[in-house]
Amino acid sequence: SQQGEEDPQALSIQEGENATMNCSYKTSINNLQWYRQNSGRGLVHLILIRSNEREKHSGRLRVTLDTSKKSSSLLITASRAADTASYFCARYNTDKLIFGTGTRLQVFP
Amino acid sequence: GAVVSQHPSRVICKSGTSVKIECRSLDFQATTMFWYRQFPKQSLMLMATSNEGSKATYEQGVEKDKFLINHASLTLSTLTVTSAHPEDSSFYICSARDQQEHSGHGYTFGSGTRLTVV
Repeated sequence: SQQGEEDPQALSIQEGENATMNCSYKTSINNLQWYRQNSGRGLVHLILIRSNEREKHSGRLRVTLDTSKKSSSLLITASRAADTASYFCARYNTDKLIFGTGTRLQVFP
Repeated sequence: GAVVSQHPSRVICKSGTSVKIECRSLDFQATTMFWYRQFPKQSLMLMATSNEGSKATYEQGVEKDKFLINHASLTLSTLTVTSAHPEDSSFYICSARDQQEHSGHGYTFGSGTRLTVV
């Protein structure tokens, strides 16, 4: 399969808690990107981490990358109900973006 | 910022008819656009890479005669689902890459088209 795997498939938390999503992939990458998708909508780019980077921050988002394990994680701190969405990792290589299976995050008020 | 317009957002068609979906980059030029398909609660599957002025490159298992792609200008790619059947019902999303961007960062997605074939 061209896709990477993400876990968990679904995650339900309360507002204020942290949410961690993991992504694994099989082939080499130039960079790995995380996207958000609200139900039935397009994708919004969240953050990009290059293959030579190990950690990156953007606001309440923290992404880590371990190329030796071919895995990445996205941490959303102090979650809000508005963070409810599906989150996808996408590996970039040879001009294509290939998406992972996604994590559906539900944040309860 | 970069904007990609995808039209229509929703379409219902009868089995056997063809449907055209447009993807436009509004404020940048895109020599390459990508078409994805997404089933409910699933991920995006890359269908094909659309190249301006040349033939599209299809992913394995995607029928090129079923999903016709035309990329006639630097700002427009179209996907035509020919002889649509109910199993073609899905959410189709396009993505365009700014040709000035070479690091893999400059992807912008359209808002998607919900196709229902009845």
